[in-house]
Amino acid sequence: QMQLVESGGGVVQPGRSLRLSCAASGFTFSSYGIHWVRQAPGKGLEWVAMISYDGDNKYYAESVKGRFTISRDNSKNMLYLQMNSLRTDDTAVYYCAKDLAVAANLFDHWGQGTLVTVSS
Amino acid sequence: DIQMTQSPSSLSASVGDRVTITCRASQDIIRWVAWYQQKPEKAPKSLIYAASTLQSGVPSRFSGSGSGTDFTLTISSLQPEDFATYYCQQYKSNPITFGQGTRLEIK
Repeated sequence: QMQLVESGGGVVQPGRSLRLSCAASGFTFSSYGIHWVRQAPGKGLEWVAMISYDGDNKYYAESVKGRFTISRDNSKNMLYLQMNSLRTDDTAVYYCAKDLAVAANLFDHWGQGTLVTVSS
Repeated sequence: DIQMTQSPSSLSASVGDRVTITCRASQDIIRWVAWYQQKPEKAPKSLIYAASTLQSGVPSRFSGSGSGTDFTLTISSLQPEDFATYYCQQYKSNPITFGQGTRLEIK
């Protein structure tokens, strides 16, 4: 069955960096766009970034543009989110989510999430 | 950006009730809306896309409707496992945006 497993979360000081990973299995990873979606404590869902099936196209929310970089390694079925210049308002659970299609911009499977806490 | 506004923000209902949640888009999104269910401390679960198409495995008591700017999610007969928070999402244009959520609680 399809599975997405995030890792790499933790506590980090403002201004520092962190890299999240998402391991995919149970589907043809290289055929689908993949997204990062985050949820601040007690808040709603916020889309963060998306990468196309082949890695050629990347899209970001304005709130993270220039600070976060999404990437993928189709040979390893892995998705990444490099987060630089972290701010306290980046504190959230970060989910990776599989696109329903190549680039439909909606999600059919989600990981369990990894918590990032930005605090001094 | 397209704003998605859900109503109500919270709702109390009983097992067996019929419940409707509304989502309004700030501009015409045709039928490019999806609905998700999230239980506390869990990842969201995909319910519906293209306004009314159920994801595989979703019970038929869930249904969606609407087009243009106004959309609804209906649960025909609430079951205990349906008490959760529900989110709508538009995917007509970037950035992808979600509604603020509707918390469905047991009366």
